[in-house]
Amino acid sequence: AQKITQTQPGMFVQEKEAVTLDCTYDTSDQSYGLFWYKQPSSGEMIFLIYQGSYDEQNATEGRYSLNFQKARKSANLVISASQLGDSAMYFCAMREGDGGYQKVTFGTGTKLQVIP
Amino acid sequence: EAGVAQSPRYKIIEKRQSVAFWCNPISGHATLYWYQQILGQGPKLLIQFQNNGVVDDSQLPKDRFSAERLKGVDSTLKIQPAKLEDSAVYLCASSKFVRNTGELFFGEGSRLTVL
Repeated sequence: AQKITQTQPGMFVQEKEAVTLDCTYDTSDQSYGLFWYKQPSSGEMIFLIYQGSYDEQNATEGRYSLNFQKARKSANLVISASQLGDSAMYFCAMREGDGGYQKVTFGTGTKLQVIP
Repeated sequence: EAGVAQSPRYKIIEKRQSVAFWCNPISGHATLYWYQQILGQGPKLLIQFQNNGVVDDSQLPKDRFSAERLKGVDSTLKIQPAKLEDSAVYLCASSKFVRNTGELFFGEGSRLTVL
């Protein structure tokens, strides 16, 4: 089974509108974490937001928020007020494991294009 | 604070040749990761080090790939002999070993083209 599933290969959004990028995950660990990274065409991986499995409130970082629904095992990224510079690949990732080491697995990504 | 350094940024080789990539993580980061990212796909973990010990190399094609992290600091990833399907970006990342957190910091990547 896939650890991280991103079902939207590509998304379009109008500038200044909000967009939601979907992510579901699969783990049997009680303690885990969920990340979102942005990868522009230049290739660097930019950390956006993190949500721990025990965090009761949804994480927010500026225009980014993570809609964490633990029972559904989903961790969707919401980008408010989209900007042209938001056009990029977005990857959801999960950290699992405890004690000695933690493994981080990435999804296949969603390509977001912001339309002027 | 200096970021994760990788070199070379670009490398073009013929199949069956060898290549090596170097990574210097952020100072003080105990965990170092090598990911392979094929065009249009998500990063796939090849190997993970905790200090200078390997904690996960389950997806490393050990017949052709090798990696080491001497003295628990910088690391090299080698491919010998290269195949066409090894064409990808090789991303190095590092993180602090901190319970329940642990954002990964990535280098700019090394883009390999195998002809």
